[in-house]
Amino acid sequence: ETGVTQTPRHLVMGMTNKKSLKCEQHLGHNAMYWYKQSAKKPLELMFVYSLEERVENNSVPSRFSPECPNSSHLFLHLHTLQPEDSALYLCASSQDRTGGAGANVLTFGAGSRLTVL
Amino acid sequence: QKEVEQNSGPLSVPEGAIASLNCTYSDRGSQSFFWYRQYSGKSPELIMFIYSNGDKEDGRFTAQLNKASQYVSLLIRDSQPSDSATYLCAVLSGGYNKLIFGAGTRLAVHP
Repeated sequence: ETGVTQTPRHLVMGMTNKKSLKCEQHLGHNAMYWYKQSAKKPLELMFVYSLEERVENNSVPSRFSPECPNSSHLFLHLHTLQPEDSALYLCASSQDRTGGAGANVLTFGAGSRLTVL
Repeated sequence: QKEVEQNSGPLSVPEGAIASLNCTYSDRGSQSFFWYRQYSGKSPELIMFIYSNGDKEDGRFTAQLNKASQYVSLLIRDSQPSDSATYLCAVLSGGYNKLIFGAGTRLAVHP
């Protein structure tokens, strides 16, 4: 496996379900991110982890719960979601080292398409 | 006020022409700027980044940055139909590792 891998690629869930999205990066990066992409809207930053520590929580509702057990893995736990949460959820990673813009270049996974019924 | 603004398009150019994509941003303290390309149904992929005023060239792509005007652009020379995609401008802004994206400009290159 290379790059950033996300599973599942597609997920359909009811509002009362609990599910999780998984992300794994094989790039040796130290920072990982969750972004939400809805139609006609900019990519919305949800969470940032650097060296397994959460450094950014962009006012995301508590029904989204991130987990970063190590620098290679990132999860997004979902519970009691709303239909408006239906979107493409993108995981990304970056080097997260000092030394200029290159450290902040994001490599994205293919995304998990979530549909909430 | 939106933090990163782009014209949604579509921008339609003939094959072989120069496509010009523009982006403005609100955070005057922003230091690094990125252009990503996203094909329909795919995830964004980096084209290039720029952090100094002026031009930066990479193959058929040129990024232009004017921090005084809070403006960054991407020129695509000799546009090809395979360049048809949505182009996302992103700005490193504010907090740690916080990359803010514009909504993207859809480019259509017709033969």
